[in-house]
Amino acid sequence: GAVVSQHPSWVICKSGTSVKIECRSLDFQATTMFWYRQFPKQSLMLMATSNEGSKATYEQGVEKDKFLINHASLTLSTLTVTSAHPEDSSFYICSARDATSAYNEQFFGPGTRLTVL
Amino acid sequence: TQLLEQSPQFLSIQEGENLTVYCNSSSVFSSLQWYRQEPGEGPVLLVTVVTGGEVKKLKRLTFQFGDARKDSSLHITAAQPGDTGLYLCAGARYGGATNKLIFGTGTLLAVQP
Repeated sequence: GAVVSQHPSWVICKSGTSVKIECRSLDFQATTMFWYRQFPKQSLMLMATSNEGSKATYEQGVEKDKFLINHASLTLSTLTVTSAHPEDSSFYICSARDATSAYNEQFFGPGTRLTVL
Repeated sequence: TQLLEQSPQFLSIQEGENLTVYCNSSSVFSSLQWYRQEPGEGPVLLVTVVTGGEVKKLKRLTFQFGDARKDSSLHITAAQPGDTGLYLCAGARYGGATNKLIFGTGTLLAVQP
């Protein structure tokens, strides 16, 4: 149980284009999903909290107009990197919180490697 | 501000050795999780501790939550190459909004055969 998928697993795009990443909870409902960014050999940096049916909550310093988040259903959240630039290249990971868990456990997707040329 | 400090930051050991990773904070957490992440993959939940002083074992891994719920440790006995990875602790704050977790700085472990 508690499986989270991400698509695509990797993407290469040209500077100025937009890229959409999907995060799905496969066997449970996730009212809350989280988007993280990770640099090599470093910990996770929370970008935003995605709440089903409402606006995402962004962490300080994260541009909401650049990183668009949509959580249209209890099993799907999407992150769109708009007008991507080389500095946006990174490993993006989503997680989903099992609403039935009492301890805020998060289950992570396999990540998406974004490379912007 | 990084609320959860892990030590050591990097650790390279030989197969069969024992090791301990520490996760420290000045804040109190309602629960704390440990994750392991392999290169190019997402973190995998290893354990959740919720009670001060709690000890949990997962095969050769022993997790302990501090009495004051501010710190935690992970001890690995007879490490194997398959234990290689990035170990992350993550805490949930009392009264924290939106159920988000505070992640530690990470410990990168390499176990040489």
